[in-house]
Amino acid sequence: EPEVTQTPSHQVTQMGQEVILRCVPISNHLYFYWYRQILGQKVEFLVSFYNNEISEKSEIFDDQFSVERPDGSNFTLKIRSTKLEDSAMYFCASRLNRGGETQYFGPGTRLLVL
Amino acid sequence: KNEVEQSPQNLTAQEGEFITINCSYSVGISALHWLQQHPGGGIVSLFMLSSGKKKHGRLIATINIQEKHSSLHITASHPRDSAVYICAALDSGGGADGLTFGKGTHLIIQP
Repeated sequence: EPEVTQTPSHQVTQMGQEVILRCVPISNHLYFYWYRQILGQKVEFLVSFYNNEISEKSEIFDDQFSVERPDGSNFTLKIRSTKLEDSAMYFCASRLNRGGETQYFGPGTRLLVL
Repeated sequence: KNEVEQSPQNLTAQEGEFITINCSYSVGISALHWLQQHPGGGIVSLFMLSSGKKKHGRLIATINIQEKHSSLHITASHPRDSAVYICAALDSGGGADGLTFGKGTHLIIQP
């Protein structure tokens, strides 16, 4: 069964460093999402992406964050200058169509900023 | 902005018991997701529903749009059902696309 994959599974970085989290959505899906979950808290929406542009973003998704689909398969989340509070699990998700379809989640990348 | 509330926050039950987890939301939605999160952190989508009821194996999800309420039921619960169950709302209209999540219900089924 097709699945969303994410790399790396864990990443440790120093505050101020740039990180890129990678996702490979399900191949025929058109809508892509990033969510994050700070330890012990609920999952929060960051951004959605369709047709090579951001379709919606939350207030969390500030200028430090960017997303890109550099080729036909990868979908990346970049954090330019990490802060301690960026430590969280980051989930990628994809969906075939906008309405009436389930979002499929990747296994997550656990980011720790020291 | 939708507010999604779940109850209970924590639930411990014995194997075989019938389990009910509740979810309410404040603003009209186009769909509601029930998700399962295992201790390792991965999220699996269980159901997406916009009306009525869906069943998959021992899991049943219902939604009442008028009352802005959904329930997830587990029949004949088993220790492998132990996980965090999360409901997440997809808001209707306005171009909203991302899910709004509840805090989750931490379920433990004891043998």
